Amino acid sequence: DAEITQSPRHKITETGRQVTLACHQTWNHNNMFWYRQDLGHGLRLIHYSYGVHDTNKGEVSDGYSVSRSNTEDLPLTLESAASSQTSVYFCASRLTNADEQFFGPGTRLTVL
Amino acid sequence: GENVEQHPSTLSVQEGDSAVIKCTYSDSASNYFPWYKQELGKRPQLIIDIRSNVGEKKDQRIAVTLNKTAKHFSLHITETQPEDSAVYFCAASRTGYSSASKIIFGSGTRLSIRP
Repeated sequence: DAEITQSPRHKITETGRQVTLACHQTWNHNNMFWYRQDLGHGLRLIHYSYGVHDTNKGEVSDGYSVSRSNTEDLPLTLESAASSQTSVYFCASRLTNADEQFFGPGTRLTVL
Repeated sequence: GENVEQHPSTLSVQEGDSAVIKCTYSDSASNYFPWYKQELGKRPQLIIDIRSNVGEKKDQRIAVTLNKTAKHFSLHITETQPEDSAVYFCAASRTGYSSASKIIFGSGTRLSIRP
């Protein structure tokens, strides 16, 4: 079955390290998104992509980057991890011009 | 920019009673309004959605209403049950205008059902 996966599911890292969170979907969706979820803030959009080689900044993009080299993957990179980036990260995908957005299972990141 | 406000942030109701969550949106071009439910430790999942050409939609105990003039939409859960306890997110989006669109989420409502 088609699905959306994230890896790792849990990650502990140290301040200043570079971290990459993987997101992979097998629906052939053009639109992919990264959110972070913190208590009291809901789902905040970090970066998003509407297709291969397309990337856009969301409302909380500082300190994060993404690249889209194929349809299936949108890795999220924290260039130099900070304690403020401790959060749960959700990847999501949505078919262009279709409506339902599907979320991955989430990655819990702790920056010490 | 686009914004979706959601109220209340927490809601506690007696089992069997009704629960109502309200949202407002700022982008008048929004035409698709999904609601997501997130159980503890799980991913958000779509439970119901409504489009701008419809004023109300029902699915068993869940209903959504939309007032485009006032830019308000609401989620109504009747005969609440323990399994309704979760965080609920409203959202707004444009669809059909171009090949690209993004969903703007509200800040969430934590619903607790008291036995």
